[in-house]
Amino acid sequence: AQSVTQLGSHVSVSEGALVLLRCNYSSSVPPYLFWYVQYPNQGLQLLLKYTSAATLVKGINGFEAEFKKSETSFHLTKPSAHMSDAAEYFCAVSGTGANSKLTFGKGITLSVRP
Amino acid sequence: DTGVSQNPRHKITKRGQNVTFRCDPISEHNRLYWYRQTLGQGPEFLTYFQNEAQLEKSRLLSDRFSAERPKGSFSTLEIQRTEQGDSAMYLCASGKSSGTDTQYFGPGTRLTVL
Repeated sequence: AQSVTQLGSHVSVSEGALVLLRCNYSSSVPPYLFWYVQYPNQGLQLLLKYTSAATLVKGINGFEAEFKKSETSFHLTKPSAHMSDAAEYFCAVSGTGANSKLTFGKGITLSVRP
Repeated sequence: DTGVSQNPRHKITKRGQNVTFRCDPISEHNRLYWYRQTLGQGPEFLTYFQNEAQLEKSRLLSDRFSAERPKGSFSTLEIQRTEQGDSAMYLCASGKSSGTDTQYFGPGTRLTVL
């Protein structure tokens, strides 16, 4: 069984400040890990993914995440927040092969203050 | 690559009516997934197909729900005898069975049951 925990439902940062969104996972098999972003009334857009290659993964829009097996974490960071980053962010885990369904966390809403 | 499309984008229905949603995946993708997202929650897996075969169904998928992918291309999700608790965003995603199992999401169909 797989699960994802995203602590807190809302994060607020100032424009230009560091963004840190936390994600912890549980998986009985080596996982694939994903971060998706969702803007209001839209589907999910892939930000980045970890698939057992490099542990530091770079994604779109300046985001990156680091896979830490010892901490079962996959936290998302961005050095400098932009107003356009305001959205809902979901961390997800999947297995591989036939076990490819995504299990999502509850999501974190990111607000960016001017 | 025109992306994943879903129709309709919005559906309002009365309790007890049947509804059907359609998903058209990215053309070269052989896997197609359905998820349901309620307000304030992450998407929850419903079912997925590889080509025309339905490989997995969630226990969330009651017998009022049925999904098909008759020719391994588009898919339909039907809900019979809708209930108010079925109100949600229904998301479709597609991907390839080879490679890193990345899923690409459509814009979703928002269902409101009155």
